[in-house]
Amino acid sequence: KAGVTQTPRYLIKTRGQQVTLSCSPISGHRSVSWYQQTPGQGLQFLFEYFSETQRNKGNFPGRFSGRQFSNSRSEMNVSTLELGDSALYLCASSLAGQVGYNEQFFGPGTRLTVL
Amino acid sequence: GNSVTQMEGPVTLSEEAFLTINCTYTATGYPSLFWYVQYPGEGLQLLLKATKADDKGSNKGFEATYRKETTSFHLEKGSVQVSDSAVYFCALSGPGNQFYFGTGTSLTVIP
Repeated sequence: KAGVTQTPRYLIKTRGQQVTLSCSPISGHRSVSWYQQTPGQGLQFLFEYFSETQRNKGNFPGRFSGRQFSNSRSEMNVSTLELGDSALYLCASSLAGQVGYNEQFFGPGTRLTVL
Repeated sequence: GNSVTQMEGPVTLSEEAFLTINCTYTATGYPSLFWYVQYPGEGLQLLLKATKADDKGSNKGFEATYRKETTSFHLEKGSVQVSDSAVYFCALSGPGNQFYFGTGTSLTVIP
C-alpha cells in the first residue's frame, strides 16, 4: 500500500505571497491532519479533516486554511505569508474512529521557506 | 485538557547503552498512547503503540508500557545502536481522534 504523499517537497516563497500544499492519504484513510513543525515550537496541530469536514482545529490564525476532497486528498493554504511561517508542514492520515486503529501515518513533509 | 510531557533532550549515549525516555500524560477518558520516531529530513514514523492500561507496545527492540496509575508511557531499549539516532515523540490520541504530541527528545548514539 502506498504511504502518505505530500507535494511539493520544497517551496520557497516571499512574504505576502500565498501557498497551497497537497496531501494524498493512504488508500482507505478518511482522516487527514496537518501539523507545523519548527525548531522553536515543535510539532503544532493545525487542523484535521474527516469526510470533507473540518473536525478539529488548532490555534492558528485564519491565514491557515484547508480542505478535503471526496477522494480524501487534502490541501492546506497559507495566505499572506510571514517569515515565521517557514517550517516543515506534515500531513498525517488515519483510519480514525476505530479503537486500536487510529494511529496516524505521516508523509515526508513539505519544507516551506519564506524569504 | 489533554497534554503530553516528555523529558528534555538532547540525550547522548554510547552504543549498547540502555535507553529510557520519560513520557507522562494528562488526559480525559482513556486515550491511546504512541511513540513516533523522526529521522533527519523525514516525517514521523510510528514506532509503537498501546491502546489500554497495562498494554505493552514493542517494536525493533523498543518497549513502552501504558501505566494508568502513574499516567506514564516511558520508552526503553536495552541496547541502542548508532542507527537509533533520531528524535522521539510521545503522543496521545484523545476524543475525536485529535493527537497531542510531546516536544520531542533528540537521541544521539555514538560508536
